[in-house]
Amino acid sequence: GIQVEQSPPDLILQEGANSTLRCNFSDSVNNLQWFHQNPWGQLINLFYIPSGTKQNGRLSATTVATERYSLLYISSSQTTDSGVYFCLTTDSWGKLQFGAGTQVVVTP
Amino acid sequence: SAVISQKPSRDICQRGTSLTIQCQVDSQVTMMFWYRQQPGQSLTLIATANQGSEATYESGFVIDKFPISRPNLTFSTLTVSNMSPEDSSIYLCSVVRGEDYGYTFGSGTRLTVV
Repeated sequence: GIQVEQSPPDLILQEGANSTLRCNFSDSVNNLQWFHQNPWGQLINLFYIPSGTKQNGRLSATTVATERYSLLYISSSQTTDSGVYFCLTTDSWGKLQFGAGTQVVVTP
Repeated sequence: SAVISQKPSRDICQRGTSLTIQCQVDSQVTMMFWYRQQPGQSLTLIATANQGSEATYESGFVIDKFPISRPNLTFSTLTVSNMSPEDSSIYLCSVVRGEDYGYTFGSGTRLTVV
């Protein structure tokens, strides 16, 4: 099945800083999503982005499908951005695969 | 995207007992998915539930341990049977609604087995 790698595994940011999270995948994907899991365990859908670029407030994401990676940008980070960020892919067979996640801690 | 109501949100259970988790979706969906997230880990797909047929289980998961029901297109249950402390995890259900929306998740059930 498809391999999904996220980097970095951990990230500590000072409030106000910018950061980039990366998701590499080993094969063509039909679907790519970014999620934020808050400290209560709830998964929040950030972006559905199998290709192209999207922006939502301080967050934006870019997927370059031909080069098999996606980036999530967090600008002017806030403490509420803390949590784990996951990417989820679906391959051409419909097989779902989550990355291992990036643990983000934003300090005041 | 679809709204999913999942319950219970958390539970503490004795080993050897069973817990049934429910997911209600606000619209009809063909497939519902059940995931397990062990402490500090990513999510792992347990099974895919289609209405009117038996669920399809991923490698490492069996029906006797995680029986699933899918009585209609808006509802599904996952039972964690004969629980042990190793079953302590967050369990989440998920659906996809339309090709442009991707997957939406329930709020999760945080299970602790003592």
